[in-house]
Amino acid sequence: SQQGEEDPQALSIQEGENATMNCSYKTSINNLQWYRQNSGRGLVHLILIRSNEREKHSGRLRVTLDTSKKSSSLLITASRAADTASYFCATDVQGSQGNLIFGKGTKLSVKP
Amino acid sequence: NAGVMQNPRHLVRRRGQEARLRCSPMKGHSHVYWYRQLPEEGLKFMVYLQKENIIDESGMPKERFSAEFPKEGPSILRIQQVVRGDSAAYFCASSPGPGEKLFFGSGTQLSVL
Repeated sequence: SQQGEEDPQALSIQEGENATMNCSYKTSINNLQWYRQNSGRGLVHLILIRSNEREKHSGRLRVTLDTSKKSSSLLITASRAADTASYFCATDVQGSQGNLIFGKGTKLSVKP
Repeated sequence: NAGVMQNPRHLVRRRGQEARLRCSPMKGHSHVYWYRQLPEEGLKFMVYLQKENIIDESGMPKERFSAEFPKEGPSILRIQQVVRGDSAAYFCASSPGPGEKLFFGSGTQLSVL
């Protein structure tokens, strides 16, 4: 079964606006990661947040993690047209061998 | 330091043929993962390997699919007797250790005619 589920499935905003994507998961994790994928390309790692962390920043990205609700959010501030891509959360499940389980992704479209 | 290299980029096979997908991890990485992605879908985990060992193959179909990561050379994902349903993008990723961030290749797009 799917471990991570992103919400919304698709998001369309204007350049300069903020974009928020959410991820929910089912079982306890060691860490949660966010990745970005441009159409037809491989995934690029954005940020990793460990289970004992609540918030992390990287440039225009802000990730939060609420282990009690088993959810995470990715905020992209001051979005640009170049941010148009699909965004996936991935979880490293406790007790697993270390492989990451990906959600279905949020497709973000930033209009200039 | 070259990234994760996958080849071929595109592979066309007829039903019943064999497909071999290759992946060279980043230098210094001994952990390799294979994922499959259908259009407009997320990545489905297939198999996780370390040098000469399969660590987790819980996502691999029981038949026709196999993977290896030999001591020397790239990791190979092999699909025997391909069917149309095998058409997908296959991504390889590597990491320096389990549960750490993954570095992805550009993928192999397999098309089965």
